[in-house]
Amino acid sequence: RKEVEQDPGPFNVPEGATVAFNCTYSNSASQSFFWYRQDCRKEPKLLMSVYSSGNEDGRFTAQLNRASQYISLLIRDSKLSDSATYLCVVTHSNSGYALNFGKGTSLLVTP
Amino acid sequence: DAGVTQSPTHLIKTRGQQVTLRCSPISGHKSVSWYQQVLGQGPQFIFQYYEKEERGRGNFPDRFSARQFPNYSSELNVNALLLGDSALYLCASSPKGGQGVPTDTEAFFGQGTRLTVV
Repeated sequence: RKEVEQDPGPFNVPEGATVAFNCTYSNSASQSFFWYRQDCRKEPKLLMSVYSSGNEDGRFTAQLNRASQYISLLIRDSKLSDSATYLCVVTHSNSGYALNFGKGTSLLVTP
Repeated sequence: DAGVTQSPTHLIKTRGQQVTLRCSPISGHKSVSWYQQVLGQGPQFIFQYYEKEERGRGNFPDRFSARQFPNYSSELNVNALLLGDSALYLCASSPKGGQGVPTDTEAFFGQGTRLTVV
């Protein structure tokens, strides 16, 4: 079983839609949680960190449920520019700063 | 400020050959990590170096090796290339790293080296 699991999609949604991505992780010692965004043939870039209290950045909301080992990302009012692959990432203290990536979920926002 | 720079950007090698990939971190960043991203997959951790010492190693064969220099730049070497080594190799830098260091620090990725083994 992979350490970080994501639905690969693709998710095809119209502009303005709300879309949610889910991610589960297997290591209960996981310490830090992130969502990265990767555009086609580009490098991953940090979208947002995920905290137990949940956090919001504009149209993006991230949630963490440590008991269920579950992370989510909600995108409201989708824009064409949101089309990308969204990578769920976890780290744990016994692996230094190694980022453990999920396979990524592909999002295509259509006009 | 310059971001993370990697060279070369593209590379074609033949099976059995050896390759060296290079990475310069963001100025002031002491941690460099290497990742392999095969098409359709998320990046997989290969190595992490902090202050010129190896601080982490992923599940890769001994054909993969790396080092970090006094100026914090890094090289990734792969020997005896296989077709399955074809991938995007990403370098990430961060100001912190290593065992016991808070891991909530953003990692900045270079644009990667796309290696094709034929």
